[in-house]
Amino acid sequence: EDKVVQSPLSLVVHEGDTVTLNCSYEVTNFRSLLWYKQEKKAPTFLFMLTSSGIEKKSGRLSSILDKKELFSILNITATQTGDSAIYLCAVENNNAGNMLTFGGGTRLMVKP
Amino acid sequence: NAGVTQTPKFRVLKTGQSMTLLCAQDMNHEYMYWYRQDPGMGLRLIHYSVGEGTTAKGEVPDGYNVSRLKKQNFLLGLESAAPSQTSVYFCASSYSRADPGSYEQYFGPGTRLTVT
Repeated sequence: EDKVVQSPLSLVVHEGDTVTLNCSYEVTNFRSLLWYKQEKKAPTFLFMLTSSGIEKKSGRLSSILDKKELFSILNITATQTGDSAIYLCAVENNNAGNMLTFGGGTRLMVKP
Repeated sequence: NAGVTQTPKFRVLKTGQSMTLLCAQDMNHEYMYWYRQDPGMGLRLIHYSVGEGTTAKGEVPDGYNVSRLKKQNFLLGLESAAPSQTSVYFCASSYSRADPGSYEQYFGPGTRLTVT
């Protein structure tokens, strides 16, 4: 059974801080790892990672994958209150249907 | 484009009642999914479909049925609702791997269901 564990469960920081969110996984036939941001409603896509060691970057957010140690990190620099959300990590099994297994999420709160 | 839409947004059911949740997408995606989200448990896949007329079970399919009669719609049915089905339900869709471009899943806004 595929498994994804995220840490920490929750995090409170102040604006301007840098945060690192962790995601470790076990999957029988790995294809990709995805990060989503969930505010009030629908999760929105951030990154898809398929190769080890290649950083994906979008503005203040970046992510990297380590396929040997089976984990990924999501970094957010110079945090803003708008970064407050639940961050979800998911892994895709290389089977039909692009099925994802999600972790429980990290709840980030950024205080002014 | 509206993206992925879900109907209804909220619903309260009594134990034993039935209902259908509707998901619609206008992105011509081949694949569609139904998830439930419970506190601290992330999203869990209920059923999914890899094309019109096809459905398959996900991680937590018991108590639910689905149908994909049209490519753009994916219906989730609860035949006899139970309090354990109180949850937020999300629909998602994606391109297949055979399509060009990326195939991340796009999510609808969710349906909050309470079963009393």
